[in-house]
Amino acid sequence: EAQVTQNPRYLITVTGKKLTVTCSQNMNHEYMSWYRQDPGLGLRQIYYSMNVEVTDKGDVPEGYKVSRKEKRNFPLILESPSPNQTSLYFCASSWDRHEQYFGPGTRLTVT
Amino acid sequence: SQQGEEDPQALSIQEGENATMNCSYKTSINNLQWYRQNSGRGLVHLILIRSNEREKHSGRLRVTLDTSKKSSSLLITASRAADTASYFCATVQGAQKLVFGQGTRLTINP
Repeated sequence: EAQVTQNPRYLITVTGKKLTVTCSQNMNHEYMSWYRQDPGLGLRQIYYSMNVEVTDKGDVPEGYKVSRKEKRNFPLILESPSPNQTSLYFCASSWDRHEQYFGPGTRLTVT
Repeated sequence: SQQGEEDPQALSIQEGENATMNCSYKTSINNLQWYRQNSGRGLVHLILIRSNEREKHSGRLRVTLDTSKKSSSLLITASRAADTASYFCATVQGAQKLVFGQGTRLTINP
C-alpha cells in the first residue's frame, strides 16, 4: 500500500530535549516536505527536499533541521525544542511538488 | 496575507445541499490544487486545475479557475455527512514551495 508514515504519532517532551520525527514513504517520490499546522495559521511549510541531499527552507524553518540521505526518508530534527514548536506536524511526498501524499501527522507538545 | 485564502472560513449546510468554497491568490500560477482534511488527519489531494483550464470535474466535485480574478471555487454537489472536513486550496510559490490557505471548515448536517 502506497503510504507516508510518521513516527511518533504523539510526543510530549520538555524544552531543550533534542528530538527527531521520522518520515518515510514507499512510493519512490523525489519531493518530500514538512509542514506544521496551527489553529488560525493553516499549514506552513518548514523544509522541503527535491531529492537526495537536496533540501531547502520553507516559510518557517527556524528551530528545525532536516536531512535527506535516502530517497524514502526525510526526518525532522528539533535540536532544542521550545514551547512555540508545540504543533501538529505533517510530512508529505510527491513526484513533484503537486498532488502531495500526506502522512497521518505527529502531535508534538513541548512543555 | 497568505497566497491562497479560502472563503468562507466556515460553512454549515444540510445534507443533500451543494457546498461552494472560494479561494483567492495573489501571484500568477501554473496550477491550483484542492485538498481535504478530516479532523486531525493528513490532507488528501482532491483535484488539480491548470492555469489554462477554466473548469474541471471529478465525481461530485467541480472546480473553476478564473486567472483574471486570481480566484478558484470548489463546488461539492449533493453533500453527504462524510464530506464534513476542512478544505484547502494550494498554489506553488516561487520554484518549489507549495503554499496552503487557511482552509474552509465544512459541516454537513444530517
